Amino acid sequence: GENVEQHPSTLSVQEGDSAVIKCTYSDSASNYFPWYKQELGKRPQLIIDIRSNVGEKKDQRIAVTLNKTAKHFSLHITETQPEDSAVYFCAAYKAAGNKLTFGGGTRVLVKP
Amino acid sequence: NAGVTQTPKFRILKIGQSMTLQCTQDMNHNYMYWYRQDPGMGLKLIYYSVGAGITDKGEVPNGYNVSRSTTEDFPLRLELAAPSQTSVYFCATHGSSYNSPLHFGNGTRLTVT
Repeated sequence: GENVEQHPSTLSVQEGDSAVIKCTYSDSASNYFPWYKQELGKRPQLIIDIRSNVGEKKDQRIAVTLNKTAKHFSLHITETQPEDSAVYFCAAYKAAGNKLTFGGGTRVLVKP
Repeated sequence: NAGVTQTPKFRILKIGQSMTLQCTQDMNHNYMYWYRQDPGMGLKLIYYSVGAGITDKGEVPNGYNVSRSTTEDFPLRLELAAPSQTSVYFCATHGSSYNSPLHFGNGTRLTVT
């Protein structure tokens, strides 16, 4: 089955700096890669996603890049703010099997 | 349009007791999932369903059962609760398109003592 590894597990950045989270996946058939943000005590919520036929996608301060050949994708947060502090999960979806496999999560702390 | 509704929000069980976690969605989605999230950890798939009458195991199904008699409801049953089942349980659903986003319920926080 699919295996998704996420690094780092924790990330501390100064407000205004950039944060980068990296994920690798094992199954080349995976074709959809969403990112979820989970604030303390709340449910995960989708923040950005990318399909396998796209190399990069941007939404304001958040961007995601995908390298299908290397089977890795990354989340980039620029100009970080205290409200960006949360746990972020990457995931990989394969239509055959109808399952979304999550990475282990990255706890991001933005220090004011 | 409530999305995904989970009940109860909190529950404390004694070892050996049983309970059913309820999940209802009003999005008319075929795909429904149960995840558990242990403290400080990621999401692990327990069971999932691709439509009424169809269920399948995820990566951590032991100690749980599910049923899917309607499109809207996907209850998760815990039999003989154990301390290892202390966790937050999330129900989720998405539409038929492969890149349809996953919508989560607010979760049920379960403690087994």
